[in-house]
Amino acid sequence: EPEVTQTPSHQVTQMGQEVILRCVPISNHLYFYWYRQILGQKVEFLVSFYNNEISEKSEIFDDQFSVERPDGSNFTLKIRSTKLEDSAMYFCASSGPGTATRGFGPGTRLTVT
Amino acid sequence: SQQGEEDPQALSIQEGENATMNCSYKTSINNLQWYRQNSGRGLVHLILIRSNEREKHSGRLRVTLDTSKKSSSLLITASRAADTASYFCATSDSSNFGNEKLTFGTGTRLTIIP
Repeated sequence: EPEVTQTPSHQVTQMGQEVILRCVPISNHLYFYWYRQILGQKVEFLVSFYNNEISEKSEIFDDQFSVERPDGSNFTLKIRSTKLEDSAMYFCASSGPGTATRGFGPGTRLTVT
Repeated sequence: SQQGEEDPQALSIQEGENATMNCSYKTSINNLQWYRQNSGRGLVHLILIRSNEREKHSGRLRVTLDTSKKSSSLLITASRAADTASYFCATSDSSNFGNEKLTFGTGTRLTIIP
Protein backbone atom coordinates (compact mmCIF):
# COMPACT_ATOMS: atom_id res chain seq x y z
CA GLU A 1 0.00 0.00 0.00
CA PRO A 2 1.46 3.40 -0.93
CA GLU A 3 2.67 5.52 1.96
CA VAL A 4 3.78 9.04 2.65
CA THR A 5 7.47 9.16 3.54
CA GLN A 6 9.40 11.84 5.38
CA THR A 7 13.06 12.62 5.88
CA PRO A 8 14.87 12.99 8.12
CA SER A 9 13.19 11.16 10.97
CA HIS A 10 14.96 13.37 13.49
CA GLN A 11 16.62 16.73 12.98
CA VAL A 12 18.54 18.64 15.61
CA THR A 13 19.37 22.24 14.83
CA GLN A 14 20.53 25.35 16.62
CA MET A 15 18.26 28.29 17.16
CA GLY A 16 18.38 30.66 14.22
CA GLN A 17 19.35 28.03 11.69
CA GLU A 18 17.30 27.14 8.63
CA VAL A 19 15.85 23.68 8.30
CA ILE A 20 14.14 21.92 5.43
CA LEU A 21 11.86 19.01 6.13
CA ARG A 22 11.15 16.74 3.22
CA CYS A 23 8.18 14.65 2.28
CA VAL A 24 7.26 12.36 -0.57
CA PRO A 25 3.48 12.23 -0.82
CA ILE A 26 1.51 9.34 -2.25
CA SER A 27 2.07 9.48 -5.99
CA ASN A 28 -1.44 10.10 -7.32
CA HIS A 29 -2.42 12.55 -4.62
CA LEU A 30 -2.96 16.20 -5.44
CA TYR A 31 -3.34 17.85 -2.05
CA PHE A 32 -0.52 18.21 0.42
CA TYR A 33 -0.40 19.30 4.02
CA TRP A 34 1.88 19.97 6.91
CA TYR A 35 0.81 19.51 10.51
CA ARG A 36 2.81 19.74 13.68
CA GLN A 37 2.49 18.26 17.14
CA ILE A 38 4.31 19.78 20.07
CA LEU A 39 5.13 17.08 22.60
CA GLY A 40 2.06 16.13 24.59
CA GLN A 41 -0.24 18.46 22.68
CA LYS A 42 -2.74 18.10 19.88
CA VAL A 43 -1.90 17.90 16.21
CA GLU A 44 -2.17 21.35 14.63
CA PHE A 45 -2.74 22.28 11.00
CA LEU A 46 -0.03 24.41 9.42
CA VAL A 47 -0.69 24.62 5.69
CA SER A 48 -2.39 23.01 2.74
CA PHE A 49 -1.04 23.10 -0.80
CA TYR A 50 -2.66 22.42 -4.13
CA ASN A 51 -1.78 23.18 -7.73
CA ASN A 52 1.54 24.69 -6.72
CA GLU A 53 0.12 27.21 -4.33
CA ILE A 54 -0.96 27.49 -0.74
CA SER A 55 -4.68 26.80 -0.29
CA GLU A 56 -4.93 27.63 3.37
CA LYS A 57 -2.57 28.35 6.23
CA SER A 58 -2.94 28.72 9.96
CA GLU A 59 -1.76 31.56 12.15
CA ILE A 60 1.19 29.40 13.10
CA PHE A 61 2.43 29.47 9.52
CA ASP A 62 4.07 32.89 9.61
CA ASP A 63 6.74 34.41 7.39
CA GLN A 64 9.35 32.07 8.84
CA PHE A 65 7.67 29.14 7.15
CA SER A 66 7.45 28.29 3.48
CA VAL A 67 6.47 25.28 1.42
CA GLU A 68 7.54 24.13 -1.97
CA ARG A 69 6.99 21.32 -4.40
CA PRO A 70 10.30 21.50 -6.22
CA ASP A 71 9.64 18.54 -8.49
CA GLY A 72 6.96 15.99 -9.21
CA SER A 73 7.53 13.97 -6.08
CA ASN A 74 8.85 16.03 -3.16
CA PHE A 75 7.04 18.46 -0.89
CA THR A 76 9.13 20.49 1.51
CA LEU A 77 8.62 22.66 4.57
CA LYS A 78 11.28 25.27 5.26
CA ILE A 79 11.72 27.12 8.51
CA ARG A 80 14.04 30.05 7.86
CA SER A 81 15.21 30.91 11.35
CA THR A 82 14.26 28.29 13.88
CA LYS A 83 13.11 29.13 17.39
CA LEU A 84 13.04 26.95 20.46
CA GLU A 85 9.25 26.79 20.23
CA ASP A 86 9.49 25.24 16.77
CA SER A 87 10.57 22.00 18.44
CA ALA A 88 7.85 19.54 17.55
CA MET A 89 6.95 16.56 15.44
CA TYR A 90 6.12 17.66 11.91
CA PHE A 91 3.78 15.49 9.87
CA CYS A 92 3.31 15.63 6.15
CA ALA A 93 0.04 14.38 4.69
CA SER A 94 -1.47 13.99 1.27
CA SER A 95 -4.86 13.20 -0.15
CA GLY A 96 -6.36 12.51 -3.52
CA PRO A 97 -9.26 14.23 -5.22
CA GLY A 98 -12.67 13.20 -4.01
CA THR A 99 -11.56 11.72 -0.74
CA ALA A 100 -11.27 13.28 2.66
CA THR A 101 -8.97 10.69 4.14
CA ARG A 102 -5.33 11.50 4.58
CA GLY A 103 -2.19 9.52 4.30
CA PHE A 104 0.11 10.78 7.01
CA GLY A 105 3.84 10.34 7.04
CA PRO A 106 5.72 9.00 10.07
CA GLY A 107 6.86 12.48 11.03
CA THR A 108 10.10 14.38 11.48
CA ARG A 109 11.03 15.18 15.04
CA LEU A 110 12.61 18.64 15.05
CA THR A 111 14.63 19.62 18.07
CA VAL A 112 15.83 23.20 18.28
CA THR A 113 18.57 23.84 20.84
CA SER B 1 -13.96 23.75 25.21
CA GLN B 2 -12.03 23.56 22.01
CA GLN B 3 -13.05 21.97 18.73
CA GLY B 4 -12.45 18.26 19.03
CA GLU B 5 -12.05 17.29 22.63
CA GLU B 6 -11.87 13.66 23.55
CA ASP B 7 -12.74 12.05 26.78
CA PRO B 8 -11.51 10.36 28.70
CA GLN B 9 -7.98 11.70 28.39
CA ALA B 10 -6.69 8.29 29.43
CA LEU B 11 -8.30 4.87 29.58
CA SER B 12 -6.91 1.55 30.84
CA ILE B 13 -8.81 -1.67 30.32
CA GLN B 14 -8.16 -5.39 30.38
CA GLU B 15 -7.47 -7.18 27.14
CA GLY B 16 -10.69 -8.49 25.65
CA GLU B 17 -12.86 -5.72 27.04
CA ASN B 18 -14.45 -3.03 24.91
CA ALA B 19 -13.04 0.50 24.84
CA THR B 20 -15.18 3.55 24.22
CA MET B 21 -13.79 6.99 23.51
CA ASN B 22 -15.79 10.13 22.96
CA CYS B 23 -15.19 13.28 20.97
CA SER B 24 -17.05 16.56 21.14
CA TYR B 25 -16.78 19.46 18.75
CA LYS B 26 -18.22 22.92 18.51
CA THR B 27 -18.75 23.96 14.90
CA SER B 28 -20.63 22.39 12.00
CA ILE B 29 -18.73 19.66 10.25
CA ASN B 30 -18.75 17.88 6.95
CA ASN B 31 -17.07 14.75 8.25
CA LEU B 32 -15.31 13.40 11.29
CA GLN B 33 -12.36 11.04 11.22
CA TRP B 34 -10.61 8.93 13.82
CA TYR B 35 -6.87 8.37 13.83
CA ARG B 36 -4.54 6.21 15.89
CA GLN B 37 -1.05 7.19 16.90
CA ASN B 38 1.40 4.80 18.46
CA SER B 39 3.87 6.45 20.77
CA GLY B 40 6.20 8.73 18.84
CA ARG B 41 4.91 7.53 15.50
CA GLY B 42 2.73 8.86 12.71
CA LEU B 43 -1.03 9.03 12.42
CA VAL B 44 -2.96 6.10 11.02
CA HIS B 45 -6.39 6.77 9.57
CA LEU B 46 -9.01 4.45 11.08
CA ILE B 47 -12.42 5.50 9.89
CA LEU B 48 -14.38 8.43 8.46
CA ILE B 49 -18.00 9.24 9.09
CA ARG B 50 -19.88 11.88 7.13
CA SER B 51 -22.24 14.36 8.73
CA ASN B 52 -25.28 12.63 7.21
CA GLU B 53 -24.28 9.26 8.68
CA ARG B 54 -25.07 8.09 12.19
CA GLU B 55 -23.04 4.93 12.53
CA LYS B 56 -20.24 3.17 10.74
CA HIS B 57 -18.38 -0.10 11.25
CA SER B 58 -14.96 -1.28 10.24
CA GLY B 59 -13.77 -4.58 11.65
CA ARG B 60 -13.68 -4.22 15.45
CA LEU B 61 -14.34 -0.48 15.20
CA ARG B 62 -17.71 1.16 15.52
CA VAL B 63 -18.13 4.91 15.19
CA THR B 64 -21.25 6.89 15.94
CA LEU B 65 -21.99 10.50 15.16
CA ASP B 66 -24.65 12.68 16.73
CA THR B 67 -24.64 16.02 14.97
CA SER B 68 -27.37 17.40 17.23
CA LYS B 69 -25.06 16.89 20.22
CA LYS B 70 -21.91 17.58 18.21
CA SER B 71 -20.35 14.40 19.46
CA SER B 72 -18.90 11.14 18.21
CA SER B 73 -17.82 7.94 19.86
CA LEU B 74 -15.31 5.29 18.86
CA LEU B 75 -15.86 1.79 20.17
CA ILE B 76 -13.14 -0.83 19.91
CA THR B 77 -14.49 -4.27 20.65
CA ALA B 78 -12.52 -7.22 22.01
CA SER B 79 -9.46 -5.08 22.67
CA ARG B 80 -5.94 -6.39 22.11
CA ALA B 81 -2.60 -5.33 23.50
CA ALA B 82 -1.74 -3.96 20.04
CA ASP B 83 -4.60 -1.46 20.37
CA THR B 84 -2.55 0.44 22.96
CA ALA B 85 -2.12 3.88 21.41
CA SER B 86 -3.49 7.40 21.40
CA TYR B 87 -6.71 7.96 19.51
CA PHE B 88 -7.66 11.29 17.98
CA CYS B 89 -10.78 12.56 16.36
CA ALA B 90 -10.40 15.11 13.58
CA THR B 91 -13.11 17.20 12.01
CA SER B 92 -13.47 18.87 8.66
CA ASP B 93 -15.95 21.60 7.88
CA SER B 94 -15.46 21.50 4.14
CA SER B 95 -17.15 19.44 1.47
CA ASN B 96 -14.21 20.13 -0.83
CA PHE B 97 -12.90 16.65 -0.32
CA GLY B 98 -9.18 16.41 -0.53
CA ASN B 99 -8.49 20.08 0.02
CA GLU B 100 -9.47 20.95 3.52
CA LYS B 101 -7.75 21.14 6.85
CA LEU B 102 -8.44 18.80 9.70
CA THR B 103 -8.92 20.05 13.23
CA PHE B 104 -7.68 17.47 15.70
CA GLY B 105 -8.86 16.78 19.19
CA THR B 106 -6.77 16.40 22.28
CA GLY B 107 -6.70 12.60 22.12
CA THR B 108 -7.40 9.66 24.38
CA ARG B 109 -4.47 7.57 25.56
CA LEU B 110 -5.68 3.94 25.56
CA THR B 111 -3.74 1.27 27.43
CA ILE B 112 -4.71 -2.37 27.08
CA ILE B 113 -3.55 -4.49 30.00
CA PRO B 114 -2.63 -8.04 28.94
